[in-house]
Amino acid sequence: AQSVTQLDSHVSVSEGTPVLLRCNYSSSYSPSLFWYVQHPNKGLQLLLKYTSAATLVKGINGFEAEFKKSETSFHLTKPSAHMSDAAEYFCVVISTDSWGKLQFGAGTQVVVTP
Amino acid sequence: DAGVTQSPTHLIKTRGQQVTLRCSPKSGHDTVSWYQQALGQGPQFIFQYYEEEERQRGNFPDRFSGHQFPNYSSELNVNALLLGDSALYLCASSQTGFGNTIYFGEGSWLTVV
Repeated sequence: AQSVTQLDSHVSVSEGTPVLLRCNYSSSYSPSLFWYVQHPNKGLQLLLKYTSAATLVKGINGFEAEFKKSETSFHLTKPSAHMSDAAEYFCVVISTDSWGKLQFGAGTQVVVTP
Repeated sequence: DAGVTQSPTHLIKTRGQQVTLRCSPKSGHDTVSWYQQALGQGPQFIFQYYEEEERQRGNFPDRFSGHQFPNYSSELNVNALLLGDSALYLCASSQTGFGNTIYFGEGSWLTVV
């Protein structure tokens, strides 16, 4: 069994300030973890993925995430928010027993104010 | 290199009708999955196809069916449409194997009236 919990449904940040999106996961087997972003009326774009290599993962557009097994967390961060970062963000888990079935979190809506 | 392409992008159907959505996977990908995303929610797994067989299925009724063709493209069919089937339907493709990147299409917006 696998699941993810995104701890914040909405996050509001000022442009130029750091962004933190929190995600906890549960998985019976060694998981792969992803963050996807969805801009309004668009499909899903992969930001980054963790697949048991380095625990600090760098993604596109300045985002990075750290896999912490002891805390079962995979939080997403960005040092300086940009207006274009306003979107919905999904934390996603997949485990070795799931045959490629992605389990999505409920999503975090990010608002960036000038 | 084209990514995952889906058609149609938008459609409106009446309750009780049937709909077919289509997906072409990214070049080199042999595995296709379908997801339903209701408004304000995260995507929910419908089913996955590999080598023209349904490999895994989520908690969706039999009204939802699919097919994968020899060229790896796929269709999602929904019969006896309900108002609650209104959603964004997303197709995802990847190469089979754990840890491979999964790419999504832009989706098909289905409205049932």
